Amino acid sequence: QKEVEQNSGPLSVPEGAIASLNCTYSDRVSQSFFWYRQYSGKSPELIMSIYSNGDKEDGRFTAQLNKASQYVSLLIRDSQPSDSATYLCAVNNRHGDTGRRALTFGSGTRLQVQP
Amino acid sequence: GAVVSQHPSWVICKSGTSVKIECRSLDFQATTMFWYRQFPKQSLMLMATSNEGSKATYEQGVEKDKFLINHASLTLSTLTVTSAHPEDSSFYICSASRQYDTEAFFGQGTRLTVV
Repeated sequence: QKEVEQNSGPLSVPEGAIASLNCTYSDRVSQSFFWYRQYSGKSPELIMSIYSNGDKEDGRFTAQLNKASQYVSLLIRDSQPSDSATYLCAVNNRHGDTGRRALTFGSGTRLQVQP
Repeated sequence: GAVVSQHPSWVICKSGTSVKIECRSLDFQATTMFWYRQFPKQSLMLMATSNEGSKATYEQGVEKDKFLINHASLTLSTLTVTSAHPEDSSFYICSASRQYDTEAFFGQGTRLTVV
């Protein structure tokens, strides 16, 4: 069973602070990692993708990947109330008997940014 | 670019009837389309993976005769929930990717309520 683990939260941070979201995965051969944001009742929206070890920055978002530790994280700087949502970590790995690739999602971490 | 359109956004149907959900990639050709289901406060669960012109690959526990998937072209996949029952009520979301190991883009989702 390919698993992606996230703390369900809620993670509460004050406006302007840094929010740190963490994710671990079990499939050691995974090569592609993604962070999605999902507002209540809406479908997920891609925020970041990361494929190699280290940091990747895009605006206020930084994704960090450590394949040796099977760990990926998302940092949100200068958090805003509009960032309040559920953040889903996703790992691209093989599914089922045919081994087709698809995203496996974690259960998501609910972030609350307090004004 | 990378827009995925899903229709309808919500549907209410009577128990025992069938419902078809369409998923279209509007500005790219989707090698692979994925269908997910999400129950309240839970993560997305992959139901099946479909490639254009071939049979869908279903995840374990998903009834292929109940959830019919057709991927007729590189821009259209449909999910038909046959003989729907109240326990099928859920949020169904499709996603599409250009090729394996790339990010997936999500449709808006379809909220199905079976009464």
